[in-house]
Amino acid sequence: LAKTTQPISMDSYEGQEVNITCSHNNIATNDYITWYQQFPSQGPRFIIQGYKTKVTNEVASLFIPADRKSSTLSLPRVSLSDTAVYYCLVGLWSNDYKLSFGAGTTVTVRA
Amino acid sequence: KAGVTQTPRYLIKTRGQQVTLSCSPISGHRSVSWYQQTPGQGLQFLFEYFSETQRNKGNFPGRFSGRQFSNSRSEMNVSTLELGDSALYLCASSDGGAYNEQFFGPGTRLTVL
Repeated sequence: LAKTTQPISMDSYEGQEVNITCSHNNIATNDYITWYQQFPSQGPRFIIQGYKTKVTNEVASLFIPADRKSSTLSLPRVSLSDTAVYYCLVGLWSNDYKLSFGAGTTVTVRA
Repeated sequence: KAGVTQTPRYLIKTRGQQVTLSCSPISGHRSVSWYQQTPGQGLQFLFEYFSETQRNKGNFPGRFSGRQFSNSRSEMNVSTLELGDSALYLCASSDGGAYNEQFFGPGTRLTVL
């Protein structure tokens, strides 16, 4: 069964680095891996996207191994405002093509 | 640029009724995707429209349908509502497709009684 899996929750403290890994065994060959952040009562917001190796922007880094069966979102030096739910989104290929969100990882940042 | 707008923001219906939700994408975006979000199932992809054509479809029954107009605005329709259809319905727009950066609207909260 094609599926996207990620940890349910992670706790951290301000100033630490948070790494969230998403597993996607059946990722479609040409698809990108995208991560979103969602706060309560809001729609998800784009964080970062990549195809392979490493991508970095002003808020996060994305690490993708050569086989692309997983990806790791890295949030450097988190603050209280980074407390949110983080989702990975990929296209999966099983019998057909399906866009699949992970179940979401609730990141709680404490002072 | 104005963001993605969805109307209505809240809706209460009863079982068996039908409902139509509307989404206005960011100006210039040709791709509109719809998602259902529930506490139990999380975010699930419903379908994507690009230039008035359905390009991808998730695993939802035929009661869920959509369309896109020439101005890229999109509507989603759910017929014969069931209690389990209660959810937050999110619309997202993109200039390339659902696999590119998507911009989400605030969602329509549908409650089925």
